[in-house]
Amino acid sequence: GENVEQHPSTLSVQEGDSAVIKCTYSDSASNYFPWYKQELGKGPQLIIDIRSNVGEKKDQRIAVTLNKTAKHFSLHITETQPEDSAVYFCAALNTGFQKLVFGTGTRLLVSP
Amino acid sequence: EAGVTQSPTHLIKTRGQQVTLRCSPISGHTSVYWYQQALGLGLQFLLWYDEGEERNRGNFPPRFSGRQFPNYSSELNVNALELEDSALYLCASSRGRAAGTPRRDTIYFGEGSWLTVV
Repeated sequence: GENVEQHPSTLSVQEGDSAVIKCTYSDSASNYFPWYKQELGKGPQLIIDIRSNVGEKKDQRIAVTLNKTAKHFSLHITETQPEDSAVYFCAALNTGFQKLVFGTGTRLLVSP
Repeated sequence: EAGVTQSPTHLIKTRGQQVTLRCSPISGHTSVYWYQQALGLGLQFLLWYDEGEERNRGNFPPRFSGRQFPNYSSELNVNALELEDSALYLCASSRGRAAGTPRRDTIYFGEGSWLTVV
């Protein structure tokens, strides 16, 4: 069945450093790849997304890259801040079924 | 603009009981989704409703069911609660099937309903 692998499970960085989270998906029919940030006790918040016809997308300090051939996509956060500390989830969507398949999450800790 | 709203935020039920969770989608969204986030199991797809119809279902037993109302709000019902049903239940919404891609692929989540089964 569909599967999304996410690494690393935890990531600790110093404020101002960059953070990179990587995901691999199995369903070649997936065509939309969102990233969600989940803070403690809250629901997942959509922070950036990328569609299969695009290789890279950037929004201020965050960027996402997609390699469809390798079925890899990654989240890049530059100039990290303590408020970036949260759990980040990647996901893959086959729009025919509208079912998001999530990675297992990355706990990011940004130390001041 | 209001986001996806869910109620109740927290509830405690006894094993064997039944529970109903409620969700109101973002205005203009006709698709509603339910996900379960149990400790150690990540986010699992439960159900997708669009225009009042169940369109897709995840690998959950039949005691998990729901419906979507004409105003596009939705309920999730869980019968015969088991201890392992304890989880955060998340509702999400998007534009519907009629909107086509890419408009319908952006999915927004609510804050969830925390269910504890004792």
